[in-house]
This record gives sequence, structure tokens and C-alpha cells, in this order.
Amino acid sequence: QVQLQESGPGLVKPSETLALSCAVSTYSTSSDYYWGWIRQPPGKGLEWIGSIFHNGNTYYTPSLKSRVTMSLDSSKTQFSLKLSSVTAADTAVYFCARSVSGSYHSPFLYWGQGTLVTVSS
Amino acid sequence: EIMLTQSPGTLPLSPGERATLSCRASQSVSSSYLAWFQQKPGQAPRLLIYGAFTRAAGIPDRFSGSGSGTDFTLTISRLEPEDFAVYYCQQYGTSPWTFGQGTKVQMK
Repeated sequence: QVQLQESGPGLVKPSETLALSCAVSTYSTSSDYYWGWIRQPPGKGLEWIGSIFHNGNTYYTPSLKSRVTMSLDSSKTQFSLKLSSVTAADTAVYFCARSVSGSYHSPFLYWGQGTLVTVSS
Repeated sequence: EIMLTQSPGTLPLSPGERATLSCRASQSVSSSYLAWFQQKPGQAPRLLIYGAFTRAAGIPDRFSGSGSGTDFTLTISRLEPEDFAVYYCQQYGTSPWTFGQGTKVQMK
């Protein structure tokens, strides 16, 4: 059973950079899967932010692409998300997740519990 | 970007009843790369169905998915008390992956 756990500041100031990490247990991020980030504004639906493959290839949603960076940690036990120039619209619960398989076309099977990030001065 | 429209927005039902949830795509979802998730308050989404009709590991067989092209359906044959939740469809055939706005199955 894969376990994922998000961590990072719960409060970020407008115009600053949101930075989150996702710790992975049981599996290495070098395993043949996609690792992703999804967010959910309070009371709203889900939005895919992007995914990173075990080889470091990244795929971002176009609306956030200019502000998003995903990376794998050299420890191979975590991966990260950075979102720059945040505004109140970036306030959301952020989930990290792992795909069902190593196929590009694979939904997310394992999810972290989510972490609320609020953008406010 | 493929937009997914779910209906109804809210579905009031009683335990034991059958639930039928719809997900309509703005364009054809390639190779039926369509998934369904269940989400309860304060929890992460749980993958129920992928590839339009394949149940994820450990998902009870009262959950079934069908459809192709632009029209997909999630059916819960007999609602159990733990099935009252919000359900989302997601397409992962054409980037960016997108989600529907959700259907809330609530107790009547």
C-alpha cells in the first residue's frame, strides 16, 4: 500500500511562491509511475495541476504552466510542487497522488490526505 | 480543453435505491480514458472506475461504469449508507486532464 503525505506552509503571502513536498512510502519515485498534484478550492471541484514521470518528464495544465515547477527529490522518497506569484485564487487543498500504472494515460489511484494552503497577507 | 458536465448536480436517494450519474464530455474522450472518483467531506478522492468500466482494486461490484465517446455513466446498483458522497468524473485522454464539477448523492 502506497502512502503519500503532503507538507508545507499553510499560509502564503500574495505574490510569493507556494512550495509543497509529498513524502512517499513503500515506493520510490524512481518507480515506473506518474506522480501528480491536484488541487481543490474550498467547496469547489478538482483541478489537475500537473504530473511528473519517474524520469523527470513533466506535464502541466496550460493555465498554470507559466507558474508551476514540479521536481523529484534525489532521495527518491519525495517530490515537490512550486507555484509562483500566488493570488487568493490559489487558495485550495493541494493533493499529491500516484498513478495506477506507468502509462501516460493513467488516473491517480493513491492520494495523500491533502493540505490546505491559504493565500493571504 | 475537454469540458466535462455532470448531471444531476444533486441526487436525493434512499439506501437500497439505484443511482445513475451522468458525465458528458465536450468532445470525444479518446480510448475511453474516463475515470470516476468518490469523495467524502475532509477526505481525498477515491478512485472507483477507470477506462470507463474497470473497477479499481477493492471497489465493490455494486459500482459499475459504462459509456464511450462523449457520454458516460456511473451506476450504483443498491446504495449503501457509506455511498452518500460527491462523485467526480475525470478524463485523462487529452491533456490537460479535466474533472467534472461533481454530483452529490445525498440521503432523501
